[in-house]
Amino acid sequence: GAVVSQHPSRVICKSGTSVKIECRSLDFQATTMFWYRQFPKQSLMLMATSNEGSKATYEQGVEKDKFLINHASLTLSTLTVTSAHPEDSSFYICSARDTAAGVNTEAFFGQGTRLTVV
Amino acid sequence: DAKTTQPPSMDCAEGRAANLPCNHSTISGNEYVYWYRQIHSQGPQYIIHGLKNNETNEMASLIITEDRKSSTLILPHATLRDTAVYYCIVRVVGGGNQFYFGTGTSLTVIP
Repeated sequence: GAVVSQHPSRVICKSGTSVKIECRSLDFQATTMFWYRQFPKQSLMLMATSNEGSKATYEQGVEKDKFLINHASLTLSTLTVTSAHPEDSSFYICSARDTAAGVNTEAFFGQGTRLTVV
Repeated sequence: DAKTTQPPSMDCAEGRAANLPCNHSTISGNEYVYWYRQIHSQGPQYIIHGLKNNETNEMASLIITEDRKSSTLILPHATLRDTAVYYCIVRVVGGGNQFYFGTGTSLTVIP
C-alpha cells in the first residue's frame, strides 16, 4: 500500500523550545493530511486537518498558535509544536489519503513521532 | 466524534478465528465502516472497509449487518502478530474526510 513517512521518529527537547515534525506521502499526492496526538493507553485524538495551500482546520480545544501546521506541497505537511512544555509530551501521528484514489478510500498513517519535553 | 462502540478487550487462541464486534447504531447511509489496528508504538494500519456488502481481503473479512447498525471484523487464523488494538471507525465520505478514533478493542492472541 501507499506509504506515509514521518520524521523524526523520536525527539527530546527542552521546555520552551519548538519542535518540527514532518509528514510525507512517498508515492502519492495528498491535498489533505491529518495530525493526531495519542497519550499513553489512550486512543488517537484528531488535532487538525492540514490543507495544501490553505489554512489548517483545527479541532475544538486545539490551540492553533501552539500547534502550527504548514502544508506547502502535495506531499509534505509539517507540525510545529511551539514553546513545548512537558504536558505536550505525546505520540504524534500523521495520516494522508491519496487524492486521486477516490473519496471512499482508506487513509494511510505514518509511524508516529514520540515527543518528550524535558 | 467517534460513533462506534467496541468491547475494550478480547482474547483469542492462536490459530483460531478472532471475531471483533463493533456497534454503530447511528450510522448514516453515506457513511463507511473502516477497520484499523495499532500495534504498540506504531501508527495505525489499515485493514479493511465497507459500506453495506461484506468484504474480504488478504488480512480479514468484514461482515456488516443488513441494517448496518453493527459489523464484525474476522481474522480467520489469528497469530501472535495480530495482538493489537483494533479500531472500528465510521466515516462520512465526501465531507471533511476525517477519521475519528474511538477507544478500540485490545486483542490479545494467546499461544
